[in-house]
Amino acid sequence: AQKVTQAQTEISVVEKEDVTLDCVYETRDTTYYLFWYKQPPSGELVFLIRRNSFDEQNEISGRYSWNFQKSTSSFNFTITASQVVDSAVYFCALGRSGAAGNKLTFGGGTRVLVKP
Amino acid sequence: EAGVTQFPSHSVIEKGQTVTLRCDPISGHDNLYWYRRVMGKEIKFLLHFVKESKQDESGMPNNRFLAERTGGTYSTLKVQPAELEDSGVYFCASSPTGTGPRSSYNSPLHFGNGTRLTVT
Repeated sequence: AQKVTQAQTEISVVEKEDVTLDCVYETRDTTYYLFWYKQPPSGELVFLIRRNSFDEQNEISGRYSWNFQKSTSSFNFTITASQVVDSAVYFCALGRSGAAGNKLTFGGGTRVLVKP
Repeated sequence: EAGVTQFPSHSVIEKGQTVTLRCDPISGHDNLYWYRRVMGKEIKFLLHFVKESKQDESGMPNNRFLAERTGGTYSTLKVQPAELEDSGVYFCASSPTGTGPRSSYNSPLHFGNGTRLTVT
């Protein structure tokens, strides 16, 4: 069975602080995909990143970075020097390969509140 | 390009009534998905269309839910009759078709803003 756990339900930080969102997943598949989505107050889910199970390289995109560790089944997300616009709910998700690839299993989400 | 559009953005209905949600995917996207998030729980997969065909409807909760995608363009999700536990946010998402089944199925999803359904 597929499962994604985001243990932090809400994180509050002051602007310019770094914030790390934890994501732990469970799967028996050898090939799988991991995603992060952002849900701003407007409601839509915005795609941030996709990582396949064979690529454990960390990734950095601007102030965002991701740490994928298969040994601990984790795919953590860090926002560096947070800004008020980063306030949103962030979802980690797990997808399978092949025909079920976008039948995603989502975590419960972490609400990030960045205060000025 | 226009994104995934969902209508209405918010619907309030009474228990026992019928509601129809609509989703317009990104033009040219053959894959269309419905997800929903009921209060306090995770976002859950409902079903997947490839063009007008249902590829996977294993997430549909019961036979009160009916999804259609006539002509392979927009999709509707009807709830009839609605129950209190159907309250939540219903998301639609689409993804493009790649050159092979693997690439198309794993192209990142483009989500709409969701429809917030409140059943009273």
